[in-house]
Amino acid sequence: DAGVTQSPTHLIKTRGQQVTLRCSPISGHKSVSWYQQVLGQGPQFIFQYYEKEERGRGNFPDRFSARQFPNYSSELNVNALLLGDSALYLCASSLVSTVNTEAFFGQGTRLTVV
Amino acid sequence: DAKTTQPPSMDCAEGRAANLPCNHSTISGNEYVYWYRQIHSQGPQYIIHGLKNNETNEMASLIITEDRKSSTLILPHATLRDTAVYYCIVRGGRGSTLGRLYFGRGTQLTVWP
Repeated sequence: DAGVTQSPTHLIKTRGQQVTLRCSPISGHKSVSWYQQVLGQGPQFIFQYYEKEERGRGNFPDRFSARQFPNYSSELNVNALLLGDSALYLCASSLVSTVNTEAFFGQGTRLTVV
Repeated sequence: DAKTTQPPSMDCAEGRAANLPCNHSTISGNEYVYWYRQIHSQGPQYIIHGLKNNETNEMASLIITEDRKSSTLILPHATLRDTAVYYCIVRGGRGSTLGRLYFGRGTQLTVWP
Protein backbone atom coordinates (compact mmCIF):
# COMPACT_ATOMS: atom_id res chain seq x y z
CA ASP A 1 0.00 0.00 0.00
CA ALA A 2 1.16 3.50 -0.77
CA GLY A 3 2.06 5.69 2.15
CA VAL A 4 1.37 9.38 2.44
CA THR A 5 2.38 11.10 -0.77
CA GLN A 6 3.20 14.77 -1.13
CA SER A 7 3.83 16.88 -4.18
CA PRO A 8 5.94 18.51 -5.30
CA THR A 9 9.04 17.30 -3.45
CA HIS A 10 10.92 20.55 -3.97
CA LEU A 11 9.79 24.03 -4.89
CA ILE A 12 11.43 27.41 -5.32
CA LYS A 13 9.28 30.53 -5.14
CA THR A 14 9.88 34.28 -5.06
CA ARG A 15 8.82 36.53 -2.21
CA GLY A 16 5.22 37.66 -2.61
CA GLN A 17 4.16 34.68 -4.68
CA GLN A 18 1.58 32.08 -3.73
CA VAL A 19 2.14 28.34 -3.42
CA THR A 20 -0.06 25.24 -3.23
CA LEU A 21 1.18 22.02 -1.71
CA ARG A 22 -0.65 18.72 -2.09
CA CYS A 23 -1.07 15.65 0.06
CA SER A 24 -2.67 12.26 -0.53
CA PRO A 25 -3.29 10.33 2.68
CA ILE A 26 -3.01 6.60 3.15
CA SER A 27 -6.02 4.85 1.66
CA GLY A 28 -8.85 4.78 4.20
CA HIS A 29 -7.41 7.55 6.36
CA LYS A 30 -9.81 10.41 6.94
CA SER A 31 -7.64 12.81 8.93
CA VAL A 32 -4.90 14.97 7.47
CA SER A 33 -2.61 17.35 9.34
CA TRP A 34 -0.02 19.81 8.09
CA TYR A 35 3.25 20.72 9.80
CA GLN A 36 6.03 23.19 9.08
CA GLN A 37 9.61 22.34 9.93
CA VAL A 38 12.25 25.01 9.70
CA LEU A 39 15.89 24.06 9.76
CA GLY A 40 17.11 22.89 13.15
CA GLN A 41 13.69 22.68 14.79
CA GLY A 42 10.98 20.09 15.25
CA PRO A 43 7.82 20.19 13.12
CA GLN A 44 5.21 22.77 14.13
CA PHE A 45 1.48 22.11 13.75
CA ILE A 46 -0.37 24.20 11.16
CA PHE A 47 -3.75 22.57 10.44
CA GLN A 48 -5.77 19.46 11.04
CA TYR A 49 -8.69 18.30 8.91
CA TYR A 50 -11.03 15.44 9.56
CA GLU A 51 -13.90 14.42 7.31
CA LYS A 52 -13.35 17.59 5.28
CA GLU A 53 -13.76 19.90 8.25
CA GLU A 54 -11.07 21.95 9.94
CA ARG A 55 -10.49 20.53 13.39
CA GLY A 56 -7.61 22.67 14.54
CA ARG A 57 -5.28 25.46 13.57
CA GLY A 58 -1.85 26.30 14.91
CA ASN A 59 -0.32 29.70 15.50
CA PHE A 60 0.15 30.67 11.87
CA PRO A 61 -0.99 33.82 10.04
CA ASP A 62 -4.04 33.97 7.78
CA ARG A 63 -1.73 33.72 4.77
CA PHE A 64 -1.84 30.00 5.47
CA SER A 65 -4.99 28.14 4.46
CA ALA A 66 -5.91 24.57 3.71
CA ARG A 67 -8.76 22.37 2.62
CA GLN A 68 -9.63 18.70 2.41
CA PHE A 69 -11.43 17.19 -0.55
CA PRO A 70 -14.13 14.47 -0.66
CA ASN A 71 -11.43 11.86 -1.43
CA TYR A 72 -9.63 13.04 1.76
CA SER A 73 -6.66 14.51 -0.10
CA SER A 74 -5.62 17.94 1.03
CA GLU A 75 -4.01 21.15 -0.14
CA LEU A 76 -2.05 23.72 1.83
CA ASN A 77 -1.95 27.23 0.38
CA VAL A 78 0.41 29.97 1.41
CA ASN A 79 -0.07 33.49 0.06
CA ALA A 80 2.32 36.44 -0.05
CA LEU A 81 5.35 34.27 0.61
CA LEU A 82 8.05 35.54 2.94
CA LEU A 83 11.65 34.39 3.20
CA GLY A 84 10.77 32.93 6.59
CA ASP A 85 8.28 30.55 4.98
CA SER A 86 11.21 28.54 3.66
CA ALA A 87 10.83 25.17 5.32
CA LEU A 88 9.98 21.50 4.95
CA TYR A 89 6.18 21.15 4.87
CA LEU A 90 4.95 17.83 6.15
CA CYS A 91 1.61 16.13 5.79
CA ALA A 92 0.46 13.44 8.19
CA SER A 93 -2.53 11.15 7.85
CA SER A 94 -4.35 9.04 10.39
CA LEU A 95 -7.33 6.75 10.29
CA VAL A 96 -9.41 8.87 12.62
CA SER A 97 -8.90 11.96 14.73
CA THR A 98 -8.16 10.56 18.17
CA VAL A 99 -5.18 10.59 20.49
CA ASN A 100 -4.76 6.81 20.32
CA THR A 101 -4.25 6.63 16.56
CA GLU A 102 -0.88 6.66 14.86
CA ALA A 103 -0.18 9.48 12.43
CA PHE A 104 1.98 8.68 9.43
CA PHE A 105 4.02 11.34 7.69
CA GLY A 106 4.89 11.89 4.08
CA GLN A 107 8.37 12.80 2.91
CA GLY A 108 7.50 16.47 2.78
CA THR A 109 7.77 19.33 0.34
CA ARG A 110 10.91 21.43 0.60
CA LEU A 111 9.89 25.04 -0.08
CA THR A 112 12.57 27.65 -0.70
CA VAL A 113 11.55 31.30 -0.92
CA VAL A 114 14.08 33.60 -2.56
CA ASP B 1 4.10 23.74 23.18
CA ALA B 2 6.21 20.65 23.74
CA LYS B 3 5.61 19.09 27.16
CA THR B 4 8.67 16.85 27.14
CA THR B 5 12.35 17.13 27.98
CA GLN B 6 14.97 15.08 26.18
CA PRO B 7 18.77 15.15 26.11
CA PRO B 8 19.96 16.92 22.97
CA SER B 9 22.28 14.12 21.92
CA MET B 10 23.30 10.57 22.69
CA ASP B 11 25.49 7.97 21.08
CA CYS B 12 25.52 4.21 21.04
CA ALA B 13 27.73 1.44 19.69
CA GLU B 14 26.31 -0.64 16.88
CA GLY B 15 24.71 -3.84 18.18
CA ARG B 16 24.17 -2.45 21.66
CA ALA B 17 20.87 -1.33 23.12
CA ALA B 18 20.05 2.36 22.81
CA ASN B 19 18.05 3.75 25.73
CA LEU B 20 16.55 7.16 25.06
CA PRO B 21 15.04 8.92 28.09
CA CYS B 22 12.18 11.39 28.14
CA ASN B 23 10.74 13.45 30.94
CA HIS B 24 7.05 14.40 30.84
CA SER B 25 6.33 15.33 34.43
CA THR B 26 3.17 17.33 33.61
CA ILE B 27 1.45 14.59 31.63
CA SER B 28 -2.30 14.26 32.18
CA GLY B 29 -4.21 11.05 32.75
CA ASN B 30 -5.63 10.84 29.22
CA GLU B 31 -2.47 11.81 27.35
CA TYR B 32 -0.41 9.29 25.44
CA VAL B 33 3.36 9.13 24.98
CA TYR B 34 4.42 8.86 21.35
CA TRP B 35 7.86 8.36 19.84
CA TYR B 36 8.84 9.35 16.33
CA ARG B 37 12.20 9.53 14.63
CA GLN B 38 13.42 11.59 11.72
CA ILE B 39 16.31 10.76 9.51
CA HIS B 40 17.86 13.80 7.92
CA SER B 41 15.46 15.65 5.59
CA GLN B 42 12.88 12.86 5.63
CA GLY B 43 9.42 12.83 7.15
CA PRO B 44 9.11 11.67 10.78
CA GLN B 45 8.62 7.94 11.19
CA TYR B 46 6.22 6.57 13.77
CA ILE B 47 7.89 4.19 16.24
CA ILE B 48 5.60 3.36 19.13
CA HIS B 49 3.11 4.83 21.60
CA GLY B 50 1.59 3.99 24.96
CA LEU B 51 -0.61 5.24 27.78
CA LYS B 52 0.63 3.58 30.96
CA ASN B 53 1.64 0.02 30.17
CA ASN B 54 4.93 -0.96 28.63
CA GLU B 55 4.68 -1.54 24.91
CA THR B 56 6.79 -3.49 22.41
CA ASN B 57 6.69 -3.78 18.65
CA GLU B 58 9.08 -4.86 15.93
CA MET B 59 11.02 -1.62 16.13
CA ALA B 60 11.34 -0.81 19.81
CA SER B 61 10.11 -1.07 23.38
CA LEU B 62 8.54 1.72 25.39
CA ILE B 63 8.92 1.69 29.15
CA ILE B 64 6.69 4.15 31.05
CA THR B 65 7.26 4.69 34.76
CA GLU B 66 4.43 3.91 37.12
CA ASP B 67 3.82 7.59 37.87
CA ARG B 68 3.94 8.25 34.08
CA LYS B 69 6.28 11.20 34.56
CA SER B 70 9.01 9.71 32.42
CA SER B 71 9.60 7.06 29.80
CA THR B 72 12.41 5.31 27.95
CA LEU B 73 12.52 4.21 24.36
CA ILE B 74 14.67 1.14 23.88
CA LEU B 75 16.16 0.09 20.56
CA PRO B 76 17.39 -3.40 21.49
CA HIS B 77 20.13 -3.79 18.88
CA ALA B 78 21.04 -0.45 17.36
CA THR B 79 22.28 -0.31 13.78
CA LEU B 80 23.86 2.50 11.80
CA ARG B 81 20.47 3.08 10.15
CA ASP B 82 19.02 4.01 13.54
CA THR B 83 21.04 7.24 13.52
CA ALA B 84 18.32 9.90 13.60
CA VAL B 85 16.60 12.56 15.71
CA TYR B 86 14.19 10.91 18.12
CA TYR B 87 11.15 12.84 19.31
CA CYS B 88 9.22 12.05 22.47
CA ILE B 89 5.73 13.57 22.28
CA VAL B 90 2.85 13.82 24.70
CA ARG B 91 -0.34 13.67 22.73
CA GLY B 92 -3.74 14.57 24.04
CA GLY B 93 -5.78 17.70 24.20
CA ARG B 94 -9.44 18.53 23.87
CA GLY B 95 -11.53 20.12 21.19
CA SER B 96 -9.44 21.95 18.63
CA THR B 97 -6.16 20.72 20.15
CA LEU B 98 -7.17 17.05 20.11
CA GLY B 99 -4.65 14.85 18.40
CA ARG B 100 -1.98 17.46 17.73
CA LEU B 101 1.62 16.37 17.87
CA TYR B 102 3.83 18.85 19.70
CA PHE B 103 7.43 18.28 18.67
CA GLY B 104 10.33 19.55 20.72
CA ARG B 105 13.94 19.47 19.55
CA GLY B 106 14.34 15.76 20.18
CA THR B 107 17.47 13.70 20.82
CA GLN B 108 20.07 13.23 18.11
CA LEU B 109 21.09 9.58 18.38
CA THR B 110 24.32 8.65 16.68
CA VAL B 111 25.14 4.98 16.29
CA TRP B 112 28.83 4.34 15.68
CA PRO B 113 30.48 1.21 14.23
